[in-house]
Amino acid sequence: DADVTQTPRNRITKTGKRIMLECSQTKGHDRMYWYRQDPGLGLQLIYYSFDVKDINKGEISDGYSVSRQAQAKFSLSLESAIPNQTALYFCATSNGASRDNEQFFGPGTRLTVL
Amino acid sequence: GENVEQHPSTLSVQEGDSAVIKCTYSDSASNYFPWYKQELGKGPQLIIDIRSNVGEKKDQRIAVTLNKTAKHFSLHITETQPEDSAVYFCAAGSNFGNEKLTFGTGTRLTIIP
Repeated sequence: DADVTQTPRNRITKTGKRIMLECSQTKGHDRMYWYRQDPGLGLQLIYYSFDVKDINKGEISDGYSVSRQAQAKFSLSLESAIPNQTALYFCATSNGASRDNEQFFGPGTRLTVL
Repeated sequence: GENVEQHPSTLSVQEGDSAVIKCTYSDSASNYFPWYKQELGKGPQLIIDIRSNVGEKKDQRIAVTLNKTAKHFSLHITETQPEDSAVYFCAAGSNFGNEKLTFGTGTRLTIIP
C-alpha cells in the first residue's frame, strides 16, 4: 500500500468552483507539504505544516488554503478556481525528528480548471 | 530566499554513456542538497543527497559533487540505462530549524538505446 496517498488523482472543474485536494499518509511523519508542478517551473511550495497546529505559507500561497485535520491528513483548497491553477499537485511528508531531510511524495493530482 | 538554477532542461545521451546535470544555489546557509527522480505518472523520489560537510558521494552508478565555495552541485550518472530516463530535480535546503527545500526546474533525461 502507498505510504502517501492523494485523492482525487484527476479532477476537471470549472472557473469559480471550490475544490479540495486531500492527502493522507501512513508514515507517521509530522511534516507535510503541498507543491505545485508546472512544465519548466519545477516544484513550487504552496503551504507546509510541521505539526497539527503549525501552518506556513510557501512561495505561491495566494488563491490557496490548507487544513491539517490530523497528523496524517493535510488538505489543499482552492476557494474559487481559476484556469491558471491548472497544474499537477503533489503532497509530501518528512520526519522532523530524523537527521535526514528526505521528503516522500504522493502520486500527484492532475487538476484542470476550465 | 533561496534560488536554485538547474541546467540543462533536457538531455539526451546514448545508452552506456554518462550524463551530468548541474545546479547552482544562492543561499550560503543551505547545507543539504538532494536529487529527486520523477518517473512518468509518479511523484518525485529521492535518489541521492549530499550535505555540506562532504564534497562527493557515490551510490553505484550515481554520484553527486558539491562545491560550496562556488555554490554549485552536480549529479553524475555513469553507464546509463533506459530505466534512467526520467525527470531529475535538484534541491537545496537547510537542516537547521525551518527545513524547507527549494527545487530546481528539472532536467528531462532521455537515454537513447
